[in-house]
Amino acid sequence: EVQLVESGGGLVQPGGSLRLSCAASGFTVSGNYMSWVRQAPGKGLEWVSIIYSGGGTYYADSVKGRFTISRDNSKNTLYLQMNSLRVEDTAVYYCARARYTSSSNWFDPWGQGTLVTVSS
Amino acid sequence: QSVVTQPPSVSGAPGQRVTISCTGSSSNIGAGYDVHWYQQLPGTAPKLLIYGNSNRPSGVPDRFSGSKSGTSASLAITGLQAEDEADYYCQSYDSSLSGLVFGGGTKLTVL
Repeated sequence: EVQLVESGGGLVQPGGSLRLSCAASGFTVSGNYMSWVRQAPGKGLEWVSIIYSGGGTYYADSVKGRFTISRDNSKNTLYLQMNSLRVEDTAVYYCARARYTSSSNWFDPWGQGTLVTVSS
Repeated sequence: QSVVTQPPSVSGAPGQRVTISCTGSSSNIGAGYDVHWYQQLPGTAPKLLIYGNSNRPSGVPDRFSGSKSGTSASLAITGLQAEDEADYYCQSYDSSLSGLVFGGGTKLTVL
């Protein structure tokens, strides 16, 4: 069964750091595009970052320079290192496999999400 | 404010047909990028509903259908059921932002 399980969320002070993990099963992280999407409380979905199977990485402008997406092929796990956290980064963070064609990417499946709260 | 716009809410009675629009521009939907749709039931993670404008993943009922024309796309739900009450999001790619974009989401209420 294809499954994604996130962990690592929690409460952190503004300016702090946190690393999220996403363990995959049923497929290999290294052979797929993988992404992070977040959802602030009561708000809509916002794409955060993507890593291609070839290793290329891309970020939303809102997190560029502060967040880093990476993977550990031996652990079949995706990561999101979040530095210089801001109150507006408070959200549920979902990892998702990103399927693709030449015309776009879409997300399937999604993990259950992990809550990150940035507050003093 | 998202570059792809959806109505905040739609509603319909059981058995009826509803549509949810997703309006973009020449840098996203109008540029030929595909539109995908997700269903988010209360308190759960989003689930893929439609990919590549009109394709249903296995397991998604054929009551759900998608279409795209010009700078817009639509999700249609026929034979509305109580369990369809959820938030629905469209998603595409925007070349001006060089990133993936979601619509603001539409809350479907089954009356």
